[in-house]
Amino acid sequence: GDSVTQMEGPVTLSEEAFLTINCTYTATGYPSLFWYVQYPGEGLQLLLKATKADDKGSNKGFEATYRKETTSFHLEKGSVQVSDSAVYFCALSDRKGGSYIPTFGRGTSLIVHP
Amino acid sequence: GAGVSQSPSNKVTEKGKDVELRCDPISGHTALYWYRQSLGQGLEFLIYFQGNSAPDKSGLPSDRFSAERTGGSVSTLTIQRTQQEDSAVYLCASSLWGNLDSPLHFGNGTRLTVT
Repeated sequence: GDSVTQMEGPVTLSEEAFLTINCTYTATGYPSLFWYVQYPGEGLQLLLKATKADDKGSNKGFEATYRKETTSFHLEKGSVQVSDSAVYFCALSDRKGGSYIPTFGRGTSLIVHP
Repeated sequence: GAGVSQSPSNKVTEKGKDVELRCDPISGHTALYWYRQSLGQGLEFLIYFQGNSAPDKSGLPSDRFSAERTGGSVSTLTIQRTQQEDSAVYLCASSLWGNLDSPLHFGNGTRLTVT
């Protein structure tokens, strides 16, 4: 079945450091890929998405590129801020029968120090 | 506009009792999902609704779990005879069409503690 693997956290960085959170997936079909973010005390919210190979999703300075050849969707940001401290979830949406059920990774906690 | 609303936000119950968790999705969203998030685990899929029907119940962990959706809107997840392993955060999400690239909109969850 489908699965998403994320790097273990927590990831601890200083402000303005470069961020990479690795995400790889397995899927039977041709999925869409997503990153969601959960800030402390809040629900998950969409950060960015990509729907086909070589697409780059971007939002709030974060980027991720859909790499079909390596089945990866790594999240990057050039200069993190304290306010980026949150849990980040990689997810895919794939067809199962007639339904599209998103599959999530375990989440990666990011802690940014001033 | 209003987001996905879940109630209660916290629920403490004794082992063996039944609980009902409620989800009010974004108006007009046809697809509704229930997930469970346990400490240190990812999001575990429970059930999916398209309108009022549930084409995929494959994630329900046992027959103690059931869910319904009425009027294409509010959904209730019921857990009968709760067990300690049911303790988790139960998340509800909705999406406009439930298709390949529709993002999910999540509620803040219900934290269930079974004592």
